[in-house]
Amino acid sequence: SQKIEQNSEALNIQEGKTATLTCNYTNYSPAYLQWYRQDPGRGPVFLLLIRENEKEKRKERLKVTFDTTLKQSLFHITASQPADSATYLCALDIVGGFKTIFGAGTRLFVKA
Amino acid sequence: DADVTQTPRNRITKTGKRIMLECSQTKGHDRMYWYRQDPGLGLRLIYYSFDVKDINKGEISDGYSVSRQAQAKFSLSLESAIPNQTALYFCATSDPERGEETQYFGPGTRLLVL
Repeated sequence: SQKIEQNSEALNIQEGKTATLTCNYTNYSPAYLQWYRQDPGRGPVFLLLIRENEKEKRKERLKVTFDTTLKQSLFHITASQPADSATYLCALDIVGGFKTIFGAGTRLFVKA
Repeated sequence: DADVTQTPRNRITKTGKRIMLECSQTKGHDRMYWYRQDPGLGLRLIYYSFDVKDINKGEISDGYSVSRQAQAKFSLSLESAIPNQTALYFCATSDPERGEETQYFGPGTRLLVL
């Protein structure tokens, strides 16, 4: 079956450290992968998109890697801040597909 | 003003009632989506529409129907609400044909079916 898996356990880190979140998928041929941020009771907000032929994408303190051999994406937040505390969702669009498949998300807590 | 709006933001209803959730967008996108979100399950697609004349079922369409009244409006109906339809509902838009592959979400509707 086709699955997208994110660590269901919350990630707790200290302010200033780098947070690394993982997204694994099976049985998909991805066209691109996206990361979204979701705050409690609010809609997801787009952060970064990386295409299947790209290895890495950066935006300010955010970095995404995409390894189609390992079927894995890593999402990094450097110099993390308490304001980065949220749930982060990965989402996959497959080649020839017409919809986006979302993971369940990983909750990040950054302690001051 | 928000690009994607949803009404109502919160709704409590009883089993068997018909309710409608509404979504409007000002982004000019052709594609619109309805998702539900349950704890631990992530976002699941209910219906999607690529233009006014196009409606497609998602992975969990049973018990739901939709109407695309205009490019900017996409409504979700629960014909006879049941308690397991209690969830957070999101509308979203995108337009990959114009390079807007990302999805823009509304603020959500929290629905409780008693």
